[in-house]
Amino acid sequence: KQEVTQIPAALSVPEGENLVLNCSFTDSAIYNLQWFRQDPGKGLTSLLLIQSSQREQTSGRLNASLDKSSGRSTLYIAASQPGDSATYLCAVRDDYKLSFGAGTTVTVRA
Amino acid sequence: DAGVIQSPRHEVTEMGQEVTLRCKPISGHNSLFWYRQTMMRGLELLIYFNNNVPIDDSGMPEDRFSAKMPNASFSTLKIQPSEPRDSAVYFCASSPRLTGELFFGEGSRLTVL
Repeated sequence: KQEVTQIPAALSVPEGENLVLNCSFTDSAIYNLQWFRQDPGKGLTSLLLIQSSQREQTSGRLNASLDKSSGRSTLYIAASQPGDSATYLCAVRDDYKLSFGAGTTVTVRA
Repeated sequence: DAGVIQSPRHEVTEMGQEVTLRCKPISGHNSLFWYRQTMMRGLELLIYFNNNVPIDDSGMPEDRFSAKMPNASFSTLKIQPSEPRDSAVYFCASSPRLTGELFFGEGSRLTVL
């Protein structure tokens, strides 16, 4: 069974600092990995999707890397803003199912 | 374009009552997933469909839970009878294909008293 771990569980940074969020998974036989953002009381918003054949994916200030062999992905958010405060979830797809980590709750202080 | 649409957004009911949650996936998406989110267990996959056919319902917790997808634009998740431990946020998500990017609805928050 795929196990997805996100460390740290919570992170607080001053505005402008770069964010580094980590995700690890136990089974490297994956189709893809997806990063989501969840605001309190809201649904999950897809941020980036990385296919198993890719090493990284970029969208604006966001960059996600994937090292399938070591079972790791990292989400980088450059020049953080208070609006980036949310919970970030990593999800790994194998056998058509997405397995989610517990998330990292980010607070960006103005 | 409209995203995944779920209703109701909030439901408060009493133990023993029937609950029906509804989902309209993104047009053109062939795969639909139902998830449940709680503080204790995080996000759990309940069931998923491909081309309106249930593929895997092994995540459905008990026989009290059932899901249908009568056509490509509508799915329901039913709980009968409901129990307090069913209280959670239920999410519907759709994808262009089984291994594609997943898009979530805003969720239905269920409280069973």
